[in-house]
Amino acid sequence: GAGVSQTPSNKVTEKGKYVELRCDPISGHTALYWYRQSLGQGPEFLIYFQGTGAADDSGLPNDRFFAVRPEGSVSTLKIQRTERGDSAVYLCASSAQVGDYNEQFFGPGTRLTVL
Amino acid sequence: GENVEQHPSTLSVQEGDSAVIKCTYSDSASNYFPWYKQELGKRPQLIIDIRSNVGEKKDQRIAVTLNKTAKHFSLHITETQPEDSAVYFCAAPSAGSQGNLIFGKGTKLSVKP
Repeated sequence: GAGVSQTPSNKVTEKGKYVELRCDPISGHTALYWYRQSLGQGPEFLIYFQGTGAADDSGLPNDRFFAVRPEGSVSTLKIQRTERGDSAVYLCASSAQVGDYNEQFFGPGTRLTVL
Repeated sequence: GENVEQHPSTLSVQEGDSAVIKCTYSDSASNYFPWYKQELGKRPQLIIDIRSNVGEKKDQRIAVTLNKTAKHFSLHITETQPEDSAVYFCAAPSAGSQGNLIFGKGTKLSVKP
């Protein structure tokens, strides 16, 4: 079956603009995670969803970042007033259930560049 | 919260040799330790994981060992092949989390033919 998909694969924007990044998880997976990966670093947790609700958003760096998952499937990460420091690869992952021991399947990521 | 340290940051071995990557974690309550492989420009992919109720797990040329007392775990790759070249990340659950992971900074493994 299809894995986790993310669109767009690349996004170049100007400082101060608004961007939306989309994640399509594996069908049936209830847990969805957003991570951010800077060059030479490991993925950094941002937020995760159990169903439609954001169960933990403690990793969001500030209030410019917001994510939704209105129907419990597709999720959108929204970044307002982008800054150059937001440039990174944004990874989405999904797992069958929330909790440990459940393999997280990653998408290919969206490479965001803020000029 | 959980803190995961990984070393070395780079590792170069000859084809056929073994490679070992080590990670330490801080939260003694952590109970699940996955390892991910990320090839250049690709997504991270789980290669092996271990739960805290076992000390070692093997899958063909890959093994992971866990020392709960010392709070460290290691990835062992035997008979390395050029296609093993990639960045490897260890991870542990965030303290009190429901699965969101704290990753190490990664080890870039280069296997020379």
